[in-house]
Parts: sequence; structure tokens; C-alpha cells
Amino acid sequence: QVQLQESGPGLVKPSQTLSLTCTVSGGFIGSGSIYWGWIRQPAGKGLEWIGHIYISGSTNYNPSLKSRVTISEDRSKNQFSLKVTSVTAADTAVYYCAAVGSQNAFDIWGQGTMVTVSS
Amino acid sequence: DIQMTQSPSTLSASVGDRVTITCRASQSISSWLAWYQQKPGKAPKLLIYKASSLESGVPSRFSGSGSGTEFTLTITSLQPDDFAIFYCQQYNSYPWTFGRGTKVEIK
Repeated sequence: QVQLQESGPGLVKPSQTLSLTCTVSGGFIGSGSIYWGWIRQPAGKGLEWIGHIYISGSTNYNPSLKSRVTISEDRSKNQFSLKVTSVTAADTAVYYCAAVGSQNAFDIWGQGTMVTVSS
Repeated sequence: DIQMTQSPSTLSASVGDRVTITCRASQSISSWLAWYQQKPGKAPKLLIYKASSLESGVPSRFSGSGSGTEFTLTITSLQPDDFAIFYCQQYNSYPWTFGRGTKVEIK
């Protein structure tokens, strides 16, 4: 059974880069799920798709964040990562990593990690 | 972007009630719609994919229907464990987008 776990700093200063890693256990990032993605949720608000990396290595990003976001994978560590540059308070949220399987929907989620942007 | 509009935003119901939540897309998304349940402090959980397919392990009291621009999630007999926020999500085209959520609370 595949499980996901986010990790990374819980506090990032404005204008700096937010970096998070999602570790995949119980499965291999190079097989099984089709997409490995990131979704975020500001406190008390709804869900926003950030982007994902396809099993082939190609990526898709939300245009609202596209110029600031990079999603990459490290198969040797069975991890995929998120970087968001030039962060502001508006980037404060719980960040989830998630996997899209054959259902083409997010069927596996990490527990989420809170990231606060503040000086 | 495709806008997903859920209604109602809040729904008060009792255990045993039949509950229906609606999700409308700003343009046709065929059947590329998923429903998720989120409880406080937890990650969303996939309930329904491709508009009407029940995710493995999800109780059969949950069902989805619709295609094109109008979709519904129905809970046939609300259980105490079902009080949560429900989100729809389209994956017909990028960017993938979510509805704002429907909170199902105890009446």
C-alpha cells in the first residue's frame, strides 16, 4: 500500500523559496501511480491544485503559480519535490502531496504539512 | 479556467437523512469529475471518480451521477462519520480545479 509523507520547513521568509519533499513508501515512484502532484489549502479555505509530474517526467502547473513553481522527482530516493519561489503571505497554506492512479483522480494523499510565510 | 460551483455551501442534516450535493462546471467536463470528503485536520479522501465510479473501500451509501456540466453526490442514509466537507474536482482540462466545498453539519 503506497503511502506519502511531506517534509520541509514550516516557516519560510517572504521573497524566499519554499521547498517541500514527498517521500513515497510502499511503492516505486517510477511505476504504479500516473501523476505525482501537489495541492495546497489555506486555512479555512478550499483546495488549489499546484501541479504534478507525470510518470514520464513531464510536468503541468497551475498558471496562477506557473512562473514560480517547479516539481521534480528523484527516483533514487523515491521522492518528488516542490519548489515555489518568491513566496508571499498568500502562499501560507497546508501543502499536500498526492498521487493520481488509474482513476485519474487523487487517490492517495499525504497527511499535509503547514507552511507559513512570515518574517 | 473551468469554474466549479458547489451548492449548497452548508447543509444541515440528521443521521439517516438522504443528502444531495450539486456541482456545476462552467463548461462541459464530460465525466471527468471526482468527489472528495475532508474531515478537520485531515487530508481529503477520494470517494467518487469519473462522476459515478465508487472508489474501492468507500461505503455504497455514497453515489455520484451526472455528466457534462451538472453533477451530484448523494449520501442515501447519512451516518455520524459522514459529517465533513465535500469537494468536487474536475480533471477534464488544465488547470485542474476544485469546488469551494460543501460542509455537511449536524442538524
